[in-house]
Amino acid sequence: GQQVQQSPASLVLQEGENAELQCNFSSTATRLQWFYQHPGGRLVSLFYNPSGTKHTGRLTSTTVTNERRSSLHISSSQTTDSGTYFCAISNTGYQNFYFGKGTSLTVIP
Amino acid sequence: EAGVTQSPRYAVLQEGQAVSFWCDPISGHDTLYWYQQPRDQGPQLLVYFRDEAVIDNSQLPSDRFSAVRPKGTNSTLKIQSAKQGDTATYLCASSFQLGGRDTQYFGPGTRLLVL
Repeated sequence: GQQVQQSPASLVLQEGENAELQCNFSSTATRLQWFYQHPGGRLVSLFYNPSGTKHTGRLTSTTVTNERRSSLHISSSQTTDSGTYFCAISNTGYQNFYFGKGTSLTVIP
Repeated sequence: EAGVTQSPRYAVLQEGQAVSFWCDPISGHDTLYWYQQPRDQGPQLLVYFRDEAVIDNSQLPSDRFSAVRPKGTNSTLKIQSAKQGDTATYLCASSFQLGGRDTQYFGPGTRLLVL
């Protein structure tokens, strides 16, 4: 299988600060997706990003495939960014995704 | 475009009871996934289908869990004789493999509590 490690496990920020979330994985990943989950809410896809850098609004995802890592950068955090962020990986030839345990982000005003 | 829908949203059972969860994927999506998400953990894949065929059910506890997708559209996940350890949120997701992109879209989940 695939091991997916996310760090930090939890993070508390003051509104306006930036956040950097990390995802490391044990085997080559052909598919990588970042998700956001509000407490009690559904998983929402933020990025499909198996390689390179993608931006949307205040979010940036960077995946370095040969180093088996991906990061999610949140700039100028807002209280509405609070929730859990998951990284999910799929191996070559398979479609089953392996999820990390998530990073719980709390942004305080 | 309608999203992935699931029902029921909540279920409370006594140990030993049976329960079924239903999922309606996004129209046209060929791949459907069922995940189990224990509290404060990431989702863990139980089973996934391509059209009506089971592709991987290796993580499905086969003695009590079963899943079907008979027409390659809607799907049902059933737990026979539920245990307290089955308490979790059950998530359904769907995707369409287009050029290998395979972005997954999730439903709201069914929160199961087994007493």
